[in-house]
Amino acid sequence: GAVVSQHPSRVICKSGTSVKIECRSLDFQATTMFWYRQFPKQSLMLMATSNEGSKATYEQGVEKDKFLINHASLTLSTLTVTSAHPEDSSFYICSALRGQGITYEQYFGPGTRLTVT
Amino acid sequence: QQPVQSPQAVILREGEDAVINCSSSKALYSVHWYRQKHGEAPVFLMILLKGGEQKGHEKISASFNEKKQQSSLYLTASQLSYSGTYFCGTEKPPGNTGKLIFGQGTTLQVKP
Repeated sequence: GAVVSQHPSRVICKSGTSVKIECRSLDFQATTMFWYRQFPKQSLMLMATSNEGSKATYEQGVEKDKFLINHASLTLSTLTVTSAHPEDSSFYICSALRGQGITYEQYFGPGTRLTVT
Repeated sequence: QQPVQSPQAVILREGEDAVINCSSSKALYSVHWYRQKHGEAPVFLMILLKGGEQKGHEKISASFNEKKQQSSLYLTASQLSYSGTYFCGTEKPPGNTGKLIFGQGTTLQVKP
């Protein structure tokens, strides 16, 4: 299967600071990437769709000014959690779409565990 | 709308079979199945695109009933490595966006 990496894997930050998470597709180009957050023992909740060369599309209830997404190239998308608060602590997972049309697969990164103190 | 998975949890002995269901209240374009182990990324298992489609992946297969808006994942002769949480991800018509809404997950534990 394809490889998607995330960096960092774990981060602890203080309340009020910003944190940037990188998502890279290592062996294919991805026009579209997705960002999810996952609370313990819960499902993956889609936060936003990241499109290379255009603005991200956010799901209802997700603050775009708080979760800044930049899809800088066909292999890199970044998620910046601005002015983080303890309630932002979660497991953030990105995925990258490979293929197009009716044949595509979505590959997930290993996730980033964010803890805000 | 989030699809509903059933059961929520399953405990099996090695070699036993299991079925995990995924139902949607809305029409579906495609259904994707993933397995996630604790603290790891979800791993893609298979995608079902057409109503009536069935796919197999070693001893793991799935079916998609488009009319009933549901899919089932079949695990036969389960192995210890099958343990994990299984998620179905659904895409609504017209599709081709890759945008998935995931079910709440089914935790599978296979014991020796």
